[in-house]
Order: sequence, then structure tokens, then C-alpha cells
Amino acid sequence: DSGVTQTPKHLITATGQRVTLRCSPRSGDLSVYWYQQSLDQGLQFLIQYYNGEERAKGNILERFSAQQFPDLHSELNLSSLELGDSALYFCASSVGTLDLKSYNEQFFGPGTRLTVL
Amino acid sequence: AQKVTQAQTEISVVEKEDVTLDCVYETRDTTYYLFWYKQPPSGELVFLIRRNSFDEQNEISGRYSWNFQKSTSSFNFTITASQVVDSAVYFCALSTGANNLFFGTGTRLTVIP
Repeated sequence: DSGVTQTPKHLITATGQRVTLRCSPRSGDLSVYWYQQSLDQGLQFLIQYYNGEERAKGNILERFSAQQFPDLHSELNLSSLELGDSALYFCASSVGTLDLKSYNEQFFGPGTRLTVL
Repeated sequence: AQKVTQAQTEISVVEKEDVTLDCVYETRDTTYYLFWYKQPPSGELVFLIRRNSFDEQNEISGRYSWNFQKSTSSFNFTITASQVVDSAVYFCALSTGANNLFFGTGTRLTVIP
């Protein structure tokens, strides 16, 4: 158990809908990362937050948005869903640092499997 | 730009055989970190090892060993005496600034009893 929790575990929805995925980081971790694992794109980085602020963006679609709240949990919002958005969405957390060149271990949650029908 | 290449899409071995998973990376950064993660059929990502760019020492952990060679930009992973429980998808990943992980496409390892 990594200490990172994600809800829900599974989500089935229809095209055009909007969903919210939730992530609670490990206690004390300030950074949260979102990754998408799909058959087409593989495992790719979407976005990172550090202590409530967006720190880095990867291949995140404009239909997707995220935020990190004062209690450090994070939500990933996916809107106007398409079939191709079906994927396993991982959240990871790390202690985080203001120094962009140092590395902190990322601990992954169990993932949320999204199915768009 | 960062890139991680895992040329082996799928590998099958018979139990107790040794197997090496290849990973080649590209980056212009002089400071970077390399990783291996395991994704068993249950789907979670399990961290196996991290290496920084200044430490080229090989590492052994039980049946697992890693060979990091900067000269060839490779970070290969060997499982000795494979077991059925080793069956999983293995990902090599690279991190530079901002901590974000760039993953390879993964190698699916099947160990046949």
C-alpha cells in the first residue's frame, strides 16, 4: 500500500459526459501528479501540482483540468468525454520541493479505470 | 526532449530462465534519474529501482539486477531464475527537472511454468 488513495476505482460513463477523479496524497506529501495509461498513448504524464500551484503540464487535453486543494487532495476533471478517453488514470504523490532539480520519490495510487461508452 | 525506448514489446521465458529487459533513454540534461516499475495484472505500479545520472554502479537486489551505462544511454534490467510471479509489464522511466516521469512503452514479460 503506497498510502496514495484514489476514488473511484472504476467509472463507467457515456460520451459527452463529465467526470471527476479524486486523489488523496500520502500524509506530508505536497506534490501530486496525474498520469494516463491508455492503449494508444501508453503511460503519459498529464499534470503536476505542488502545494496548490500548478507546476508542470504534460500532454493534457484542454477538455481536462485539475486542481489541488488546501488540504492537498487533488481532483482531475474530464469533460466532453470521448471513447478515446477510456484509460487507467493514476495519481502519484511525492514530498515535493521548490528545487526543480532535486528528485523526490513518487508513490502511485491504485488508479481509476475510466470506461467511456 | 526526453525519450525512453523499450524495444522489446513482449518476452516469454520458461520458469528459472534468466531474462534481460532493455531500456534506452535520450535526454540533454546532465542530471536525470532512471527508474524501473512493475505493473502486475492487478494494475498497480510498483516501484523497483531508481538511479541518478551520476551513479553508474550496477545494483543487485535478490534476483533483480540493473546495468546502467551512460556511454550507451542504457539502463537494462535482468531477472535471474525467473518465476511465474515475475509475469507483469515492466516500465522503464526517466525524470529530469520538475520530477515528471517519462515512461517507455513497457515490456510484457510472461514466465511460463
